[in-house]
Amino acid sequence: ELKVEQNPLFLSMQEGKNYTIYCNYSTTSDRLYWYRQDPGKSLESLFVLLSNGAVKQEGRLMASLDTKARLSTLHITAAVHDLSATYFCAVEPQGGSEKLVFGKGTKLTVNP
Amino acid sequence: GAVVSQHPSWVICKSGTSVKIECRSLDFQATTMFWYRQFPKKSLMLMATSNEGSKATYEQGVEKDKFLINHASLTLSTLTVTSAHPEDSSFYICSALVVGWAEAFFGQGTRLTVV
Repeated sequence: ELKVEQNPLFLSMQEGKNYTIYCNYSTTSDRLYWYRQDPGKSLESLFVLLSNGAVKQEGRLMASLDTKARLSTLHITAAVHDLSATYFCAVEPQGGSEKLVFGKGTKLTVNP
Repeated sequence: GAVVSQHPSWVICKSGTSVKIECRSLDFQATTMFWYRQFPKKSLMLMATSNEGSKATYEQGVEKDKFLINHASLTLSTLTVTSAHPEDSSFYICSALVVGWAEAFFGQGTRLTVV
């Protein structure tokens, strides 16, 4: 059974600082996704990572994937208040089931 | 990106009544859609996989008679919460995978409150 562990679960940081959110998963995966969720809202797709060594960047966020270590990271550079949200990683198990298993989420608060 | 529209965005109903939530793919055909449930400040839990033209596949522990799923067309899946009780209050989210795309798109979510 695929398990997805995300840490930290809560992250409070100051504007301008850098930080990394980690996503570990327990079995071989086809794809890994990062999503953002604002309070009371649905999920916004941030990144889809398909292969080992994949790195994608959008603005102050950069995601990477190491399939050998079964680890993905979401790096935040020079955080701003607008990045405050809950971030989820989700993993699709190998085999093409297309079902996603979500981590517990990281609630990020960026303080001025 | 592809658009998945979910309706209603929120609903309040009395205990014992049924509520239907619709999930539509607006600009693509979705042979498979997924229904998730999210409790406050928690992660998403997959409830079931909705397959066009066939029966839904439910995850372990999800009552199929309580959460009725119908996927009558390539653009519409519905989730009906039957005989709702307060413990069914939750945020329900649907998603669809675009065939040939490596990405899942989510509806806006439906906040169900049973009083």
